[in-house]
Amino acid sequence: ILNVEQSPQSLHVQEGDSTNFTCSFPSSNFYALHWYRWETAKSPEALFVMTLNGDEKKKGRISATLNTKEGYSYLYIKGSQPEDSATYLCASFTSYGKLTFGQGTILTVHP
Amino acid sequence: DGGITQSPKYLFRKEGQNVTLSCEQNLNHDAMYWYRQDPGQGLRLIYYSQIVNDFQKGDIAEGYSVSREKKESFPLTVTSAQKNPTAFYLCASSDEGQPYEQYFGPGTRLTVT
Repeated sequence: ILNVEQSPQSLHVQEGDSTNFTCSFPSSNFYALHWYRWETAKSPEALFVMTLNGDEKKKGRISATLNTKEGYSYLYIKGSQPEDSATYLCASFTSYGKLTFGQGTILTVHP
Repeated sequence: DGGITQSPKYLFRKEGQNVTLSCEQNLNHDAMYWYRQDPGQGLRLIYYSQIVNDFQKGDIAEGYSVSREKKESFPLTVTSAQKNPTAFYLCASSDEGQPYEQYFGPGTRLTVT
């Protein structure tokens, strides 16, 4: 994998559903993996910064896992709420100082 | 409150004119960045600066210029040489002590006609 890729591009779920999406990144020269939430009309905000293989982080109903050997990270949202609707961006930071963003996953949670 | 400000929120220019986008931060961060977002694409790095009076080209620097005369300020000039300047521009900063977590401004939407 040469670029950072996110899937799916967009996702529609019902309130209360749990959901997850994927970020794939080059495993060579890996230093850190960032997840950001970008709500409409607001600035992107960092959710997690992960550096260690096997790392798992949690913030409320949102959690993320990291596999640096195979180059992927999953973001999970448990019991989605309408306020979770946003674009979720991941970015891979390499050991030579380059941060590359994926194209984002647009999540819409319907009441 | 500490944060990053970008102005203006919306900017309209005629083709052939240079335009400068403002970015100011009071987070005392050393590093600052400019990104561009186009529909269906991720954020692409235009320029970044890790210290005052120094900056490096990102992935799509052609047609852009920057300066970093003060730690707090990192203005971006979109020149007439930029072939597709209409886009959403985001400025960010980061603390060198962190694994480069980015703090973003609200963005400027530039429309060139």
